[in-house]
Order: sequence, then structure tokens, then C-alpha cells
Amino acid sequence: AQSVTQPDIHITVSEGASLELRCNYSYGATPYLFWYVQSPGQGLQLLLKYFSGDTLVQGIKGFEAEFKRSQSSFNLRKPSVHWSDAAEYFCAVAGRDAGNMLTFGGGTRLMVKP
Amino acid sequence: DAGVIQSPRHEVTEMGQEVTLRCKPISGHNSLFWYRQTMMRGLELLIYFNNNVPIDDSGMPEDRFSAKMPNASFSTLKIQPSEPRDSAVYFCASRRTGLTDTQYFGPGTRLTVL
Repeated sequence: AQSVTQPDIHITVSEGASLELRCNYSYGATPYLFWYVQSPGQGLQLLLKYFSGDTLVQGIKGFEAEFKRSQSSFNLRKPSVHWSDAAEYFCAVAGRDAGNMLTFGGGTRLMVKP
Repeated sequence: DAGVIQSPRHEVTEMGQEVTLRCKPISGHNSLFWYRQTMMRGLELLIYFNNNVPIDDSGMPEDRFSAKMPNASFSTLKIQPSEPRDSAVYFCASRRTGLTDTQYFGPGTRLTVL
């Protein structure tokens, strides 16, 4: 069975600082990988996704993520955080099979200090 | 496109009452997913449909929960009778059929069972 671990429940960074949110997955092969963001009271919005090819993926709002097969990781990064980035971030995996259902990590809540 | 539409956005009910949550997927999407989000359990997939047919309902907590998709543009999630532990945010998501297609989430229904 596939699983996702986001080790950091809460992270606080200063506005303008860089950000890295960690994501580790467990799956028998290379899964499809996703990062979603959830603002308070809102649904989930896709930031970026990895299916194949270049292991560094660019997403919306200046985010990027790097797939590292050897580490089973798909960490999310942003070089300079804005106050509007405060939200909860979810990493998710989906198998490359007919089911293709998403399994989500527990989420990381990001707070941004002025 | 209007995105995934869910109604109501908020529902407060008393224990024992029937609750019906509604979802309209994005036009042209063939797959529909119901998720539940709680602090304790995070995001859980309850059931998903493909071409209006339930494919996997293994996440449905118990017989009190039922879901239907009578046509491609409408789905319901029903809880009867409701219990306080059902209090959560319920999300609907839709996707085109392709395995690499993105799931788009609705804004959610916040259910409170007193």
C-alpha cells in the first residue's frame, strides 16, 4: 500500500526567507506525485505534479519540487516566501495503475512572520 | 468553468438526523471522489466513481454512509443517521479519466453534528 509522510506538522518562516517542506513516500515503484495547498476555509488547489521526465518540477506561485528516487522524497521549495503563502500544504501520491487514487500526507501548516 | 460545486457550504444538524451533501463535478470529468477531512485523521478518501459507477467504497466508514451518482453532473453523499463523530469537512473532487489528469477539489462542506 502506498503512504505519504510529511514530517513537519508546523513550520514558521519569515517573509522573504526560503522554504522547504518535506515529503517522503512509500510505494513499490515510482508513483505520481503532487503538492496541493489549502488556504483556510478553502478547498485544495494543485501547486504542481510529477509524472515523469525532469525531476525538478515547476509549479504555480513560484513553487518547485524535486523528485529524488533514491530518497523516496518529493520536497517542495520556494526561494522567497510571501505572507500570502501561509496555508496548509499537502503532499500526495497516486499509483500508476487503474485505480490511481490519491493518498495524502498529514499536511504541513506554514506560518509566515512579517 | 465554474469548478467543482458543493452544497451546502456549512451544515449544522442534530444527532440522528439525515444529512445530504451535494456535488456537481466539472463538466467533462469522468471521475468523482468524496473525501473527508478531520484533525485526527487528515484527508481520507471515502468513495470514488468512474463514469457514474462506484469503483471503490472501501473508505466509507459504515453503513450509515451512502453515495450516489445518478448522472455525470451530480453526486450525493448521505449520512443517516448522523452522529457527532461525523463532524468534518467533506470534499468532492473530479477528474478526467486519464491517470495523469489532475483532481480538482470543491470548496468543501463543513458538517457539524450536535
